[in-house]
Parts: sequence; C-alpha cells; structure tokens
Amino acid sequence: KNEVEQSPQNLTAQEGEFITINCSYSVGISALHWLQQHPGGGIVSLFMLSSGKKKHGRLIATINIQEKHSSLHITASHPRDSAVYICAVRPSNTGNQFYFGTGTSLTVIP
Amino acid sequence: GAGVSQSPSNKVTEKGKDVELRCDPISGHTALYWYRQSLGQGLEFLIYFQGNSAPDKSGLPSDRFSAERTGGSVSTLTIQRTQQEDSAVYLCASSAGTVFYGYTFGSGTRLTVV
Repeated sequence: KNEVEQSPQNLTAQEGEFITINCSYSVGISALHWLQQHPGGGIVSLFMLSSGKKKHGRLIATINIQEKHSSLHITASHPRDSAVYICAVRPSNTGNQFYFGTGTSLTVIP
Repeated sequence: GAGVSQSPSNKVTEKGKDVELRCDPISGHTALYWYRQSLGQGLEFLIYFQGNSAPDKSGLPSDRFSAERTGGSVSTLTIQRTQQEDSAVYLCASSAGTVFYGYTFGSGTRLTVV
C-alpha cells in the first residue's frame, strides 16, 4: 500500500499547454512538498504546503487538507519543464519520515 | 556552503567492497536525511538525524548499512560488503528541522556495484 499516489504517471504535452499533476495521500500530514527531478538526477524543492495555495512563476500548487489531495499546475508549459515531479508528504504522527509518490514524468514537446 | 554537497558524485565498486558516501549539509541545518533511489523507483527513506537526538535508522535495509553524523554537521553513509542490489542514487537532504521549513537535496551519489 502506497501512502502517496500520483497521477498521471506519464504525461506528454505540447508547449504552451496547461498541465495538472495530482497527488492523493492517505495519512494525516503536517506538510506536503512538490519536488522536481531533472534528467541529470538533481532534485529541487518547488513548494512546501500546509494549506491553501502557493504560486511561483508559472507554477501553482494547491492543497485540500480535508480531501487529502494536492495539485501542481504548470501554466504555459515549456520544454524546460520536462522533468519528473514528485509529491512528498510529512505525516503528522512522526517528525522523521516523508512518504513519496513514485513521480509523474512530464515531457513537453516544442 | 550554499547547498547540500555530496561526494563522490559517481562511485563504481566491486561486489563485496565497502563504500563511504559523504554529505555536507547546509550550515545550521539540524536535520539530515539519507534517501536511496533505485532505477525506476521512488525515493526510499534510509536514515534521519536531528540535532543530538538518536538517529532514526528504521529505513536502513540491512545491517550492512550504517551512517553517522559527526559534530552535527557532515554525515557519512557506509555500505559494507556491497551487493549489486545496492546500486542506486543515494541522496542526502537537510532542513532547518521543523515541520514548517522546506528541505534541500544534494545532487546525489550514483553508486554502481559491479
């Protein structure tokens, strides 16, 4: 059983399209993170959310605590957005571990 | 330094040899995590250090794996008698240590056991 589920697993989009990646989780959490992993392997933390919505440039992340669901949106997608996007949650019953989704592989075609 | 530094970036070792992987976290970050990412798999938690507290070793896959953190800063992950299934990218992350702070990953060490 995976505590964090992401969808879709793979996504191909045309440049300029609006993209949504979804994350559902089954445990109570204190925070949710969206991470970006580029083909070279480096991981960047995009957002940390505990409620509501955050925006950074063309990226928007939302979270609904009651529904245990978060979405990552990319507006006006660009080939450089091609990466694996990973959802991670920090359970509220332990301060130590994060649970990770298996990631969504995004390819944006010019 | 400005980010989390890991070394080496790549390591090829023969089956049965011991390896040491190093992580230098962001200065002042009290929390340090080791994760492993095998080919095509998600991130797997290995071990967590928080300040001077006893580490959470619950993710270590076997007693061949150990880690220490000296002086609350640099951490070393040691894998003894490496096996081919140990081949993975080993990632270190650090954070300021409370739930309201984000965390920063290093660029990882790609370990290949041949």
